[in-house]
Amino acid sequence: DIQMTQSPSILSASVGDRVIMTCRASQSIGTWLAWYQQKPGKAPKLIIFKASNTQSGVPSRFSGSGSGTEFSLTISGLLPDDSATYYCQQCNDYSPAFGQGTKVEIK
Amino acid sequence: EVHLVESGGGLVKPGGSLRVSCAASGFSFDTHTMNWVRQAPGKGLEWISSISSNSAYIYYADSVRGRFTISRDNAQNSLYLEMSNLRVEDTAVYYCVSEVGRRLFDYWGQGSLVTVSS
Repeated sequence: DIQMTQSPSILSASVGDRVIMTCRASQSIGTWLAWYQQKPGKAPKLIIFKASNTQSGVPSRFSGSGSGTEFSLTISGLLPDDSATYYCQQCNDYSPAFGQGTKVEIK
Repeated sequence: EVHLVESGGGLVKPGGSLRVSCAASGFSFDTHTMNWVRQAPGKGLEWISSISSNSAYIYYADSVRGRFTISRDNAQNSLYLEMSNLRVEDTAVYYCVSEVGRRLFDYWGQGSLVTVSS
């Protein structure tokens, strides 16, 4: 099974900052990676698919990159509304796996 | 607008059974693979099962295989998860999730809490 590892677990930043979080796969998954945003008490929301494609309606400050085993999610110009936990997920095989999440806190 | 509404969660004793349902609307349910994803309290996301549009292909995570059964009724736009021999570690919010292909999850329900406790 493919394992996903995210870092850091918690990321604290100020409004306006550029923040980067990473996701590593235990084996190559090409660009079959998605990112989800989850706010407390809510269901996750798809924000990035196929590593670097932004889902419709998602602000352009969110961007994804990477391929193979190393991926990143960047928020350019952090807003208070971006406070959430972000999960990566491999879509490479029939048994998808999520990372453990990165919680973004606003200072 | 897409709506996925789960129901049927609740409190059950270890070893017990429960069925969670999901009512879908606002999209062509019968052309989409559907999934269940769960989240234990304060923990991350865990995919547990998927079923293809015509129920021909069904997959389970190792953690639930042999205990949980996924099914669907396309005429009723409904998805089901039959859970048996429940364990304390099955306590979680269970999300009904539609797939746009390749296990890419585009729409999620609000979740249904299942608590396994004596």
